[in-house]
Amino acid sequence: DQQVKQNSPSLSVQEGRISILNCDYTNSMFDYFLWYKKYPAEGPTFLISISSIKDKNEDGRFTVFLNKSAKHLSLHIVPSQPGDSAVYFCAASAPGGGADGLTFGKGTHLIIQP
Amino acid sequence: GAVVSQHPSWVICKSGTSVKIECRSLDFQATTMFWYRQFPKQSLMLMATSNEGSKATYEQGVEKDKFLINHASLTLSTLTVTSAHPEDSSFYICSASRPRQNNQPQHFGDGTRLSIL
Repeated sequence: DQQVKQNSPSLSVQEGRISILNCDYTNSMFDYFLWYKKYPAEGPTFLISISSIKDKNEDGRFTVFLNKSAKHLSLHIVPSQPGDSAVYFCAASAPGGGADGLTFGKGTHLIIQP
Repeated sequence: GAVVSQHPSWVICKSGTSVKIECRSLDFQATTMFWYRQFPKQSLMLMATSNEGSKATYEQGVEKDKFLINHASLTLSTLTVTSAHPEDSSFYICSASRPRQNNQPQHFGDGTRLSIL
């Protein structure tokens, strides 16, 4: 029973446009959400995170939005660049003082087309 | 730069062999590290939480006798896949986070591709 869901296995976006990746969760105990980027045969690279006390966090081209009532978060990348092509994982954790592992979605493969 | 180092990156071995994977935090002390496993086109699944100086905590369905975890120091955790079989072939990834004060992200190693023949 997946607690973190990324319903789009892949997404194709034109270079320069906005990429929007979506994530839904079911566990209301989650209080910290993260987005990771992953290339084949490499570990995930941390991109951006958001605490449940916020509804938006921005870092350069990356913005994460959190809608707690809908249990939904999204990652916006603007403008999209060819180097953004990768698999993006949404992850969540519950309160645990750092002692809890992350629960991941299945990932969305973002393809940026020139 | 990398904050978590994982070694080896790729292992091919015969069925029945035991394989040890090392995970090191490079610039901070990690009292807790995590081990994940990823099958092709699937999400990363938490296998166990490695606690420095105490026993690891395993997720449901993960055999503790099969996947031995040792966290002997604040910068090193090891995962040993004992008597590996072809079904153990997978991508194993470790992570660590700086001591949590105000939500710290986990940083991941580059993973180990394990192939059992």
